[in-house]
Amino acid sequence: GNSVTQMEGPVTLSEEAFLTINCTYTATGYPSLFWYVQYPGEGLQLLLKATKADDKGSNKGFEATYRKETTSFHLEKGSVQVSDSAVYFCALRRNNNDMRFGAGTRLTVKP
Amino acid sequence: DVKVTQSSRYLVKRTGEKVFLECVQDMDHENMFWYRQDPGLGLRLIYFSYDVKMKEKGDIPEGYSVSREKKERFSLILESASTNQTSMYLCASSLRGANEKLFFGSGTQLSVL
Repeated sequence: GNSVTQMEGPVTLSEEAFLTINCTYTATGYPSLFWYVQYPGEGLQLLLKATKADDKGSNKGFEATYRKETTSFHLEKGSVQVSDSAVYFCALRRNNNDMRFGAGTRLTVKP
Repeated sequence: DVKVTQSSRYLVKRTGEKVFLECVQDMDHENMFWYRQDPGLGLRLIYFSYDVKMKEKGDIPEGYSVSREKKERFSLILESASTNQTSMYLCASSLRGANEKLFFGSGTQLSVL
């Protein structure tokens, strides 16, 4: 079946550090891939997405590239801020089916 | 922007009670979803509806049922609440299609005592 595996947290970084959160997927066919973010006390919101192989999604300084050959969609940011502290979820969607989520990675950025 | 509204932010119920969680979206989305979120487990799909009166079971439907009588409203029902149903419940909606993102409500934190 379709599933997502993401890097376990929690992750703690200092401000301006480089961030990578790993995400790999298993799916039949060609899913669309997403990163969602959940800030404290809020619902999930879309951070970025990519809909086909080699696409790069980007938003708010975050990037992720859809790598079909390694079935990965790793999230990166060159310089994190305290305001990036949140839980990040990798997800995939095939056809009109439901969205499949990873377990989430909690990021804490310290000043 | 799309708004997905869940009727309660916090709810406390007793074991054995029948519990209704309501969700309303205002953007005419075909798809609606109920997930539960538990630490370390991410989001797990309970039920999915792709049209009025249509529903599909997700990964963990046991102990739950759903109702979608109108396009904008998707209700989750716990027929007889149990302590292991204490969780954060998230409702979401989307347009049809694999490329479409989900819009989430703020969630309902349910405690079953």
